[in-house]
Amino acid sequence: SQTIHQWPATLVQPVGSPLSLECTVEGTSNPNLYWYRQAAGRGLQLLFYSVGIGQISSEVPQNLSASRPQDRQFILSSKKLLLSDSGFYLCAWLRLANTGELFFGEGSRLTVL
Amino acid sequence: QKEVEQDPGPLSVPEGAIVSLNCTYSNSAFQYFMWYRQYSRKGPELLMYTYSSGNKEDGRFTAQVDKSSKYISLFIRDSQPSDSATYLCAMKNFNKFYFGSGTKLNVKP
Repeated sequence: SQTIHQWPATLVQPVGSPLSLECTVEGTSNPNLYWYRQAAGRGLQLLFYSVGIGQISSEVPQNLSASRPQDRQFILSSKKLLLSDSGFYLCAWLRLANTGELFFGEGSRLTVL
Repeated sequence: QKEVEQDPGPLSVPEGAIVSLNCTYSNSAFQYFMWYRQYSRKGPELLMYTYSSGNKEDGRFTAQVDKSSKYISLFIRDSQPSDSATYLCAMKNFNKFYFGSGTKLNVKP
């Protein structure tokens, strides 16, 4: 079966510290992968998406970056966190290209203090 | 103007009621239309997706898309307390998905 994993689930980081969130998908190959951020009480903001290894599209200019070192691995990073980076980060994968079947992981809740 | 507009609610209904959730959008290029359910502190769960205009039914859920009006709806029949959650609409154009801000639904026993 196809599943998506995200970790860590929760983290609290000081301002200026680095960040690494990891997402992996099982049971599929060459999926489209996405990173979204959800602020409290707000919709989902698309941060990055990837259609293949090493192919990253950035939607919002900010101090975050993404990488896809392997087919089913998607990493969200920052060198120096800002207070405004706090939020709920969601990884998602598109099961089939010509569908609307976008599936989400359980999310990573980041608090920057 | 936002790509997708959704009333944030909250919407409170008694158990057994029919619930209507709606979104409007501005981009006529959207081709896929989705509804997600999100429980507190969890990732969104895909309920249904529809391609182009028309209706789609799955159990107690019915999704409607009216591309001429740029308007989509989700109906929940015989609503249950377990349906209490935030419902997000979403739309797709090429590789990108665009989400509404979500409507919070509370079904009272």
